[in-house]
Amino acid sequence: RKEVEQDPGPFNVPEGATVAFNCTYSNSASQSFFWYRQDCRKEPKLLMSVYSSGNEDGRFTAQLNRASQYISLLIRDSKLSDSATYLCAVNIAGGKLIFGQGTELSVKP
Amino acid sequence: GAGVSQSPSNKVTEKGKDVELRCDPISGHTALYWYRQSLGQGLEFLIYFQGNSAPDKSGLPSDRFSAERTGGSVSTLTIQRTQQEDSAVYLCASSLGRRGYTFGSGTRLTVV
Repeated sequence: RKEVEQDPGPFNVPEGATVAFNCTYSNSASQSFFWYRQDCRKEPKLLMSVYSSGNEDGRFTAQLNRASQYISLLIRDSKLSDSATYLCAVNIAGGKLIFGQGTELSVKP
Repeated sequence: GAGVSQSPSNKVTEKGKDVELRCDPISGHTALYWYRQSLGQGLEFLIYFQGNSAPDKSGLPSDRFSAERTGGSVSTLTIQRTQQEDSAVYLCASSLGRRGYTFGSGTRLTVV
């Protein structure tokens, strides 16, 4: 089993839709969790950290479920500019940051 | 510098040659990572440096790969006797604590 697994993509949604991505991790000692966005042929950029209490940044909401060992990212009112690959990342105990394979999102007019 | 700097941005090399990739992290960042990303794939962890601790080399795919970090700052990733399957984008990231990791724009390596 992979250390970090994500929903398979691609997700094709119309503008204005709500879309959710899930990511599961295998190491219960994981301590920090992140969502990154990667545009085509660019480096990943930090979208948001994920906190135990859940956190929101505008149209984006991230949640952590430690009991079930998954994190989620919800995008509301999706825009064309949200089209990208979304990567979850988990800090395994000892500091190593492991990424999921990424989920491609395509928002259509 | 303001961000993570990687050089060269592109490298084409012949099979069997050695290559060195450089990463200049954000000043003061204690953690430095190297990842590899093949076309259409996720990020493959290669190696992790944290302060003065021994690096975590568990992701290096073979003994042809090595990395060092001098003075807690600049890091070089060396690939010896390059093979075609080494072709990928090599990404470096740095962080201070666990607040999130900033990536450089990567080195696109092509082995011909």
